[in-house]
Amino acid sequence: DVKVTQSSRYLVKRTGEKVFLECVQDMDHENMFWYRQDPGLGLRLIYFSYDVKMKEKGDIPEGYSVSREKKERFSLILESASTNQTSMYLCASSSRTNTETQYFGPGTRLLVL
Amino acid sequence: GQNIDQPTEMTATEGAIVQINCTYQTSGFNGLFWYQQHAGEAPTFLSYNVLDGLEEKGRFSSFLSRSKGYSYLLLKELQMKDSASYLCAVLPQDTGFQKLVFGTGTRLLVSP
Repeated sequence: DVKVTQSSRYLVKRTGEKVFLECVQDMDHENMFWYRQDPGLGLRLIYFSYDVKMKEKGDIPEGYSVSREKKERFSLILESASTNQTSMYLCASSSRTNTETQYFGPGTRLLVL
Repeated sequence: GQNIDQPTEMTATEGAIVQINCTYQTSGFNGLFWYQQHAGEAPTFLSYNVLDGLEEKGRFSSFLSRSKGYSYLLLKELQMKDSASYLCAVLPQDTGFQKLVFGTGTRLLVSP
């Protein structure tokens, strides 16, 4: 079974703090993704990576950065957290074949005070 | 632009059949996914359609019409555990990056 794990289920941070969200997958997938999910807006892509050290901006990259130093790990970084970054963050991974599904982690619910 | 529409909420009764519709307008089309997401949990894969027609998988079926930009998810013999959000997602381009575009999801409530 594919497993995608995220470092925290719940996180509370203060405005201006630097926040790291970690994601690890165990299926040797090439693609990894970070989404945020907000009520009424659905899943929106922040960044994705199709290989080690490669990254591409998604639809809402502002205020975020990412790091992929190893194939199994994809980190999302909030350089200076703001209250409008309070959200559910979902990591996903998939193989290079487009017909294959993305596998999602359990999510991190981040609250920025 | 990319636009995916699905109803916000639906209700149905246990044992019944429900159809959740999804219409899309995207820059291209390379497949459509349906995911199920229970409250507080991760989305899980239900189906993938790239050709027109109906794909059946147990109690769940998914239909696609590319000419109409339309898909539906059909759930038969509804059970209480089917109460969840159902997400429609389109792969607009064959970039190799699998950059999906998601709808906002349809919340299904199954009552006894």
